Amino acid sequence: DQQVKQNSPSLSVQEGRISILNCDYTNSMFDYFLWYKKYPAEGPTFLISISSIKDKNEDGRFTVFLNKSAKHLSLHIVPSQPGDSAVYFCAASASYGNKLVFGAGTILRVKS
Amino acid sequence: GAVVSQHPSRVICKSGTSVKIECRSLDFQATTMFWYRQFPKQSLMLMATSNEGSKATYEQGVEKDKFLINHASLTLSTLTVTSAHPEDSSFYICSAQSPGRNYGYTFGSGTRLTVV
Repeated sequence: DQQVKQNSPSLSVQEGRISILNCDYTNSMFDYFLWYKKYPAEGPTFLISISSIKDKNEDGRFTVFLNKSAKHLSLHIVPSQPGDSAVYFCAASASYGNKLVFGAGTILRVKS
Repeated sequence: GAVVSQHPSRVICKSGTSVKIECRSLDFQATTMFWYRQFPKQSLMLMATSNEGSKATYEQGVEKDKFLINHASLTLSTLTVTSAHPEDSSFYICSAQSPGRNYGYTFGSGTRLTVV
């Protein structure tokens, strides 16, 4: 039973344009969400997080939107850069610091 | 910021042998650590949660006698893969609960285990 789903295995975007990565969850107990960037054979790198009391959080080129009623969150990267090419994972937990459940990941390719 | 050191980064072992992976919090105390496993092109799957001084909590389907976790101090958790088989070949990652640092979670750099 996949509690966190990333239905798009891959996404290709032109440099300078917006990248939108989507994530859905089924467990209504989740209230803390994070996005990570990952390269093969490396640990995940934190990008941005959001708690359920917010619907938007912004950090530089990265913005995360949370729609609790739809159990959906998205990561926007604007403008996209070739260095953003990696696998992006959405993760959720029932509370800050509790165990994380990861989605399957989305491969982002930013073309120059 | 908080740092977690994971060793070794890669290891090759023969079938039937055991391998130990260490995860150390360098500049903070980690009461709780999480162990994940990632197969190629797949998600990070939580294997177990280890708490200092107590038995680890394993996720459903994870063999606790095969994947031994020890969290004997506030800075060190170890995962031992016992009697390794080729199907245990995977990428193992630890994460320490780090309240107030790294947004709650500090990940190690991972260990690539290859069983031949």
